[in-house]
Amino acid sequence: GAVVSQHPSRVICKSGTSVKIECRSLDFQATTMFWYRQFPKQSLMLMATSNEGSKATYEQGVEKDKFLINHASLTLSTLTVTSAHPEDSSFYICSGKKTGEREQYFGPGTRLTVT
Amino acid sequence: GENVEQHPSTLSVQEGDSAVIKCTYSDSASNYFPWYKQELGKGPQLIIDIRSNVGEKKDQRIAVTLNKTAKHFSLHITETQPEDSAVYFCAATGANNLFFGTGTRLTVIP
Repeated sequence: GAVVSQHPSRVICKSGTSVKIECRSLDFQATTMFWYRQFPKQSLMLMATSNEGSKATYEQGVEKDKFLINHASLTLSTLTVTSAHPEDSSFYICSGKKTGEREQYFGPGTRLTVT
Repeated sequence: GENVEQHPSTLSVQEGDSAVIKCTYSDSASNYFPWYKQELGKGPQLIIDIRSNVGEKKDQRIAVTLNKTAKHFSLHITETQPEDSAVYFCAATGANNLFFGTGTRLTVIP
């Protein structure tokens, strides 16, 4: 168990448009979900933490009005990149955590390219 | 906050040899240390983890050791196979968020 999916796996959008990425826990309830960004050959950088039904907590330097996070249910979190710019091009990865456990289970990632 | 350092950044081994990746952390409150394997274009996959009340944990060809006094932990892969080639990340946490190391690109040469 503990499978996380992301959709889409790849997306190309034009500068100035918005794009939504979905993260779903398929076989468990994720009370906490995390969103990470990963640039080529670099480590994962935490963007925000979201708890079901609550507002997300953003890391320093991450614009909450640009990266909108919604965690409306125990199996779904969404990340919307608003007014995307080429510098937002990156690999976005989500993870979910079960209640009372330490492990984070990661999704397969979404490659965003802004042209 | 927590600072996790990981070495080496790249590692090449012959198939069948062992590989060792080392990490250090700074926050003595950290008590959970997972290791992830990431293949190209995919998300990280948890391969093994260790908690601070344990010094060593083994799962088939993979083992992790933890020295809380020295604040370092290591991943050991024995009898390496070409499919072990990937980027490996260590991480540490005391509460909710994971703090990742910078990654090690392991190449197993057939």
